[in-house]
Amino acid sequence: AQSVTQLGSHVSVSEGALVLLRCNYSSSVPPYLFWYVQYPNQGLQLLLKYTSAATLVKGINGFEAEFKKSETSFHLTKPSAHMSDAAEYFCAASFTGGGNKLTFGTGTQLKVEL
Amino acid sequence: DAGVTQSPTHLIKTRGQQVTLRCSPISGHKSVSWYQQVLGQGPQFIFQYYEKEERGRGNFPDRFSARQFPNYSSELNVNALLLGDSALYLCASSLVGETGPDNQETQYFGPGTRLLVL
Repeated sequence: AQSVTQLGSHVSVSEGALVLLRCNYSSSVPPYLFWYVQYPNQGLQLLLKYTSAATLVKGINGFEAEFKKSETSFHLTKPSAHMSDAAEYFCAASFTGGGNKLTFGTGTQLKVEL
Repeated sequence: DAGVTQSPTHLIKTRGQQVTLRCSPISGHKSVSWYQQVLGQGPQFIFQYYEKEERGRGNFPDRFSARQFPNYSSELNVNALLLGDSALYLCASSLVGETGPDNQETQYFGPGTRLLVL
């Protein structure tokens, strides 16, 4: 079955430290992949997306993600965490033949500590 | 430009009642999708409409229905509410209905309607 898995429901980092949020997909054909961020009591905001143009994708707020077909992964990174990055992050996939339906992972809550 | 708007922002209903949620897409967008986000989980796809036609349906019971109007706004209806229907309902709009390599499609999400069923 086509699915998206996010390892680690909660991640805590110190301000200024590297942020690494993990996402893996399961499908025979690589999907289009997205990272969204959700702040408390708000909707989803797109951080970045992979649509096969380039494997290293840069997004907003200093985030980037690398698509690795061999590992079926699309991990999200940021070199230096900021307090304002504290939020919930969702990885999502648009699988072939699904229109623009997004299949989401269960989310990772990022906490940034002083 | 206005983003995706949803109404109401919050709603409280009792079991067995019916509810209608509304969504206005970004101007020029012809596709609207609905998602249900239960607390602590990722959003789950309910419906997609494109040019007023149903393009996709998720694994939800027939109590859930939707439609899209000529101005591309959309309504989501849920009948015979259950406690488990309590969730944040998100609407997303996009220019077209497909994601592809040449189509830098982006789905823009509204702030959601938080439904509580008692």
